[in-house]
Amino acid sequence: AAGVIQSPRHLIKEKRETATLKCYPIPRHDTVYWYQQGPGQDPQFLISFYEKMQSDKGSIPDRFSAQQFSDYHSELNMSSLELGDSALYFCASSSDVAYEQYFGPGTRLTVT
Amino acid sequence: AQSVTQLDSQVPVFEEAPVELRCNYSSSVSVYLFWYVQYPNQGLQLLLKYLSGSTLVKGINGFEAEFNKSQTSFHLRKPSVHISDTAEYFCAVNPSGTSYGKLTFGQGTILTVHP
Repeated sequence: AAGVIQSPRHLIKEKRETATLKCYPIPRHDTVYWYQQGPGQDPQFLISFYEKMQSDKGSIPDRFSAQQFSDYHSELNMSSLELGDSALYFCASSSDVAYEQYFGPGTRLTVT
Repeated sequence: AQSVTQLDSQVPVFEEAPVELRCNYSSSVSVYLFWYVQYPNQGLQLLLKYLSGSTLVKGINGFEAEFNKSQTSFHLRKPSVHISDTAEYFCAVNPSGTSYGKLTFGQGTILTVHP
């Protein structure tokens, strides 16, 4: 079965650089979520999109922005990167008939 | 707002022994409840979910959980664990009523199965 695809899987950036993370949801899933998991931490909700509109917003820094495109894929843009942004970033997707979220493998971002 | 507390940060157990991972939640509204498993350097895999109906739910890999509304708990159990069950387990809640609610996770429980 198709799963959530995230790219890249690993990303190394320097402080103050910009990063773009991509997420491709499971086909026919209309909702995408972004979570951040710091080392030894539980995943923290950042932002979600339902039918290409922002549906909820969590503790996402102003330096971050995201959108969902017409093909339902989503991108998380992160600017002015800080050391504290180093984390595992997960994308998840769900449909309006299935309430569980399916997670991608994550993008490990390292800021040096 | 919702919160989730996993009462044990680490649970060591011997192979073939039973295990229970405890999860309590607080919420002012009804919630959907989930357990996810995370193997090292991997994503989160759904083990099981409670949306409504029977309070005992069965999931993959022989796991089951029981929803107790009065005690606001959703403990995960397995009667006989295997070495391959060694992983981190997260309990999560989603406010019901919408299909696109964010998940709030507990702090995670690291299950280590010893031979």
